[in-house]
Amino acid sequence: GENVEQHPSTLSVQEGDSAVIKCTYSDSASNYFPWYKQELGKRPQLIIDIRSNVGEKKDQRIAVTLNKTAKHFSLHITETQPEDSAVYFCAASKGRGRRALTFGSGTRLQVQP
Amino acid sequence: EAGVAQSPRYKIIEKRQSVAFWCNPISGHATLYWYQQILGQGPKLLIQFQNNGVVDDSQLPKDRFSAERLKGVDSTLKIQPAKLEDSAVYLCASSLSGNDQPQHFGDGTRLSIL
Repeated sequence: GENVEQHPSTLSVQEGDSAVIKCTYSDSASNYFPWYKQELGKRPQLIIDIRSNVGEKKDQRIAVTLNKTAKHFSLHITETQPEDSAVYFCAASKGRGRRALTFGSGTRLQVQP
Repeated sequence: EAGVAQSPRYKIIEKRQSVAFWCNPISGHATLYWYQQILGQGPKLLIQFQNNGVVDDSQLPKDRFSAERLKGVDSTLKIQPAKLEDSAVYLCASSLSGNDQPQHFGDGTRLSIL
């Protein structure tokens, strides 16, 4: 089955700096890669996703890049703010209409004011 | 639109007891998922339904876990008997069927086994 590894497990940055979280996946058939943000005690919320036919996607301060050859994808947050502090999960899935996700182990991002 | 609804939010039981969780997906979402999230880990899929049929239950511990979605809308997940290692948050998610639709999660049920 699919295996998703995520690094780092914790990340502390100063407000205004950039943050980068990296994930690798094992199954070359995976074609959908979402990122979720989970605040303490709350539901995971989708913040951005990318499909395998695209190399990069941006949404305001958030961007995701995908390297299919190397089987890794990354989340980039620019101009970080204290409200960006949360746990971020990457995930991967494959198959049209069968979107069960395999999640990474999470990155706890702390943005210091 | 209303989000994915789950109940209860919290449950505390003793080991070997039984427990059930309920999920109502977003209206019109044909696909429903149950995930288990152990503290400090990412969610792990337990079972996936497409309407009222099971698509994937390969990671469901079937000797103690069961789930159903009889009318293709809401779903229940049951654990009987519970073990200490079942302490986790049980998340329900739903998505539209096919065409690369994202999953939307509920707030989860936090289960503590004593």
